Amino acid sequence: DSGVTQTPKHLITATGQRVTLRCSPRSGDLSVYWYQQSLDQGLQFLIQYYNGEERAKGNILERFSAQQFPDLHSELNLSSLELGDSALYFCASSVSGTTPPYGYTFGSGTRLTVV
Amino acid sequence: AQKITQTQPGMFVQEKEAVTLDCTYDTSDPSYGLFWYKQPSSGEMIFLIYQGSYDQQNATEGRYSLNFQKARKSANLVISASQLGDSAMYFCAMRLGSGNQFYFGTGTSLTVIP
Repeated sequence: DSGVTQTPKHLITATGQRVTLRCSPRSGDLSVYWYQQSLDQGLQFLIQYYNGEERAKGNILERFSAQQFPDLHSELNLSSLELGDSALYFCASSVSGTTPPYGYTFGSGTRLTVV
Repeated sequence: AQKITQTQPGMFVQEKEAVTLDCTYDTSDPSYGLFWYKQPSSGEMIFLIYQGSYDQQNATEGRYSLNFQKARKSANLVISASQLGDSAMYFCAMRLGSGNQFYFGTGTSLTVIP
């Protein structure tokens, strides 16, 4: 157990729907990062939050949004879902706002299937 | 543009043998970090090893070592004495300076044969 908790582990939904993925960072970590792993795009950075504030943004679609709450858990909201959004969504956490030398601690991911 | 290249989509190795997984990178930033992650079939991403661009010596972590050749911009992962549990996808990744995001390669699937 890495200490980063992602729920749910699996999610199946229909096109056009909206889903929320949840991430609880490792105890003491202030930063949360979201990544998307799809077969055609590989691992892509989506967004980072640090202590409740957006810190960096990557290849995140406008249909997607995220936030980090005062208790430091984060939610990734995906709306108007398309078949191409099917992917494994990872959350990772770190102590500081910048990546530590040892890298992130990843959660086990949420596998989203859009049908 | 920053780029990580893993040219080996799949590799096979006999149990107890050593294997090298290739990774080349492209950046003009003098400060960067190179990472290797393992992703077993269960899906989680497991940190293996880190090499900083200013580190003089190659990183080692148990059976894992990173063959860092800065002039060639390569950061190959060497796994010694392969075990069946090493069968997984392996990703090379780069972080620039004190930046926040990682750039990942496309991965290499390693299969250890008994």
